[in-house]
Amino acid sequence: GESVGLHLPTLSVQEGDNSIINCAYSNSASDYFIWYKQESGKGPQFIIDIRSNMDKRQGQRVTVLLNKTVKHLSLQIAATQPGDSAVYFCAERSATDSWGKLQFGAGTQVVVTP
Amino acid sequence: GAVVSQHPSRVICKSGTSVKIECRSLDFQATTMFWYRQFPKQSLMLMATSNEGSKATYEQGVEKDKFLINHASLTLSTLTVTSAHPEDSSFYICSARDNRISQGRGSPLHFGNGTRLTVT
Repeated sequence: GESVGLHLPTLSVQEGDNSIINCAYSNSASDYFIWYKQESGKGPQFIIDIRSNMDKRQGQRVTVLLNKTVKHLSLQIAATQPGDSAVYFCAERSATDSWGKLQFGAGTQVVVTP
Repeated sequence: GAVVSQHPSRVICKSGTSVKIECRSLDFQATTMFWYRQFPKQSLMLMATSNEGSKATYEQGVEKDKFLINHASLTLSTLTVTSAHPEDSSFYICSARDNRISQGRGSPLHFGNGTRLTVT
């Protein structure tokens, strides 16, 4: 399944399948990107990050792809599990911001079905 | 490591009263902390950047006199919602950047578990 995270859409994925969550960003000055997972009633949890001098980074069951040409970021989750059900946010940091603050995208709700 | 604690987790207050929310970094020092606000089914919106020993920097449209921020030490920042109204009801989340990481700007922020504020 695939989803564009611009207005909190829902991505329904069957357990065991791969998930792809997309995020578009607009700031050309952004040089650092992070994916966070947020479960209901909790704060965001770090999943994986990528700097702008890379186009791919892999973690455990997760891969982040960055396409700076079209300002697009994606998160791939392999073998999606019920515990992956949550809202996923991409966040970006501008190279011009002295404090390193993060701006969040709209988010995507991932629902894992048995 | 890198735990951020927020207190309280939930608070209900009456309209016109003030509420203080604490954000603590438990096992690291944070010169810089950030306060976010999140409405249901929406994203996190940055409210302000809190810096230890100096005035907070507020995002456009955020009233500094309504949302008072005090970063009194390297492990504590507080957000006080003054004269709260029902429209201030929201989920407030803080985050902190670990001073130990030399390339701080290129490291992820650590988030607290948020404070659910309900103003009646």
